[in-house]
Amino acid sequence: QSALTQPRSVSGSPGQSVTISCTGASSDLGGYDYVSWFQQHPGEAPRLVIFDVDKRPSGVPDRFSASKSGNTASLTISGLQTEDEADYYCCSYAGTYISFYVFGTGTKVIVL
Amino acid sequence: EVQLVESGGGLVKPGGSLIVSCAASGFTFSSYSMHWVRQTPGKGLEWVSSISSRGRNIYYPDSVKGRFTISRDNAKNSLSLQMNSLRVDDTAVYYCARGSFCNNGVCYFDSWGQGALVTVSS
Repeated sequence: QSALTQPRSVSGSPGQSVTISCTGASSDLGGYDYVSWFQQHPGEAPRLVIFDVDKRPSGVPDRFSASKSGNTASLTISGLQTEDEADYYCCSYAGTYISFYVFGTGTKVIVL
Repeated sequence: EVQLVESGGGLVKPGGSLIVSCAASGFTFSSYSMHWVRQTPGKGLEWVSSISSRGRNIYYPDSVKGRFTISRDNAKNSLSLQMNSLRVDDTAVYYCARGSFCNNGVCYFDSWGQGALVTVSS
């Protein structure tokens, strides 16, 4: 099971919006609506920011939104803030005995 | 407050064994599935194992199947990962994570520990 493909980095100025793509295959991302996104600051554990494609856990600002179409999922951060600078990973259920869950390669969000 | 605290990481030679553990607090441990996820600088995040709330259902990816064993003790609120036949590419930070928002048996990793570093090197 190959990792989901994400851009290495995206950047934006405070207040702007950035979108991170996550591309998989019909056997994982395209086959299931079980997509999550994680935010990870340096030296910290990942933090769940999106689950079930587009749902936010309590405490996650509504600046974070997400969607999925076909084999590609997207995370958008609106009104970018300095504290949003972090690594972001997508994750999809894959449903095979090779691996039940597959993560993305990770994207560094840079706040200019 | 949900807390997950890993322990047991360290340096081990290729072919060796190691156990990493996770102590849980702040929630009803026996009601949640639990998971291990590892992270390496080169390969990013990788799911390692899952165990259902009562321990009846256990899953592994092919990369660790037959070498790693996940277990839990609901009386002690603890999760463990026994790792045998360790390889250099098993070197990673190992996180335990709680499974929540489950849907048709698919759960999301909503709380994570701080991680335990496992280094496999001769």
